Amino acid sequence: DAGVTQSPTHLIKTRGQQVTLRCSPISGHKSVSWYQQVLGQGPQFIFQYYEKEERGRGNFPDRFSARQFPNYSSELNVNALLLGDSALYLCASSRSYGRANETQYFGPGTRLLVL
Amino acid sequence: KNQVEQSPQSLIILEGKNCTLQCNYTVSPFSNLRWYKQDTGRGPVSLTIMTFSENTKSNGRYTATLDADTKQSSLHITASQLSDSASYICVVSQKGSTLGRLYFGRGTQLTVWP
Repeated sequence: DAGVTQSPTHLIKTRGQQVTLRCSPISGHKSVSWYQQVLGQGPQFIFQYYEKEERGRGNFPDRFSARQFPNYSSELNVNALLLGDSALYLCASSRSYGRANETQYFGPGTRLLVL
Repeated sequence: KNQVEQSPQSLIILEGKNCTLQCNYTVSPFSNLRWYKQDTGRGPVSLTIMTFSENTKSNGRYTATLDADTKQSSLHITASQLSDSASYICVVSQKGSTLGRLYFGRGTQLTVWP
């Protein structure tokens, strides 16, 4: 079975540009979460989506937005990129929402570099 | 403030040796604690998950312990292998929180030398 997939794997943008990152969850998983991992730090929670609805949002500015599609795949959009947005963006999927013992499965991430 | 602190920040050991990584947390109320292994440039992979009532859990050469009273956890790796070189991240879930609201430590960067 395919794991969580993300695209693209790497991306270079300049300040002020906009970027869209994509994630496909494991088949049968309905919840997708997005994390930002700056070099040398642990992942920081950005969003969680379940059944196409936003279920949680971390402490990120409105420049960050996301959505989930009927097939449970998801997109993360970041507008007006700043140098500080350079990071590894991780997507994680799980079967359901709200069950704290359930394991999240992470994708390989998209490495974004903002110049 | 809910925090997860890991130590040491980095560790170098020789192949075949054992090591122990530490995690202290202040997340409350506590639901569960996970250890993840993250290879460079890859997403984290779950090693163990422990709830309040569990104090030891093993996954092959990885053994995690949890002391919910002192809010401490450790990950012990026995007979280390070169492939164990990675970042090990401690993640604590808050009871009542949504699945996505997990508290991550900064990780311990383990390097195993031949």
